[in-house]
Amino acid sequence: AQSVSQHNHHVILSEAASLELGCNYSYGGTVNLFWYVQYPGQHLQLLLKYFSGDPLVKGIKGFEAEFIKSKFSFNLRKPSVQWSDTAEYFCAVTRGSTLGRLYFGRGTQLTVWP
Amino acid sequence: DVKVTQSSRYLVKRTGEKVFLECVQDMDHENMFWYRQDPGLGLRLIYFSYDVKMKEKGDIPEGYSVSREKKERFSLILESASTNQTSMYLCASTPGGRNTIYFGEGSWLTVV
Repeated sequence: AQSVSQHNHHVILSEAASLELGCNYSYGGTVNLFWYVQYPGQHLQLLLKYFSGDPLVKGIKGFEAEFIKSKFSFNLRKPSVQWSDTAEYFCAVTRGSTLGRLYFGRGTQLTVWP
Repeated sequence: DVKVTQSSRYLVKRTGEKVFLECVQDMDHENMFWYRQDPGLGLRLIYFSYDVKMKEKGDIPEGYSVSREKKERFSLILESASTNQTSMYLCASTPGGRNTIYFGEGSWLTVV
């Protein structure tokens, strides 16, 4: 069965620190990869997505992610976090060339101290 | 802008009650989904639908049913609510193909 692993459940950083959140998936075929963010009290928002092409994907708010096929990974990065980045981050995967169901990781809570 | 609307944001229901959660999307999307979000468990798929009157079970369908009579509306039904169904329920839709999946704002359900 498809699974998505987010290794960090809770990450605590100070402002201006660099961020990397890990995401690994288990499916060996073609995948479509997403990072979603959920700010406190708000709905899920798409940060970035990868379908094909350049494995380094840039998203909103200075986030980026790198797809490493050999490692089945899609880690999220930001060089310098802000207090406003405090939120829960979800990695998600769909399989194949058409979008079907999304498989989600369990989420990583990021807390940024000012 | 795509809009996925969940009509009830906060509900409190009693054990044994029948509960309807409604979701409407305004962009003629074929695919609609119902997820449940619980702390530490992420989002788990309950049911999804690829077309009107079509439905497929997700990972945790027990205790739930769905209805898709019209393309824009996908309803989640709890036939007899139980306390372990207290959760946040998220609806999502996508046109299919390699397109973004859009989420509603969520419905907080408390079963007492």
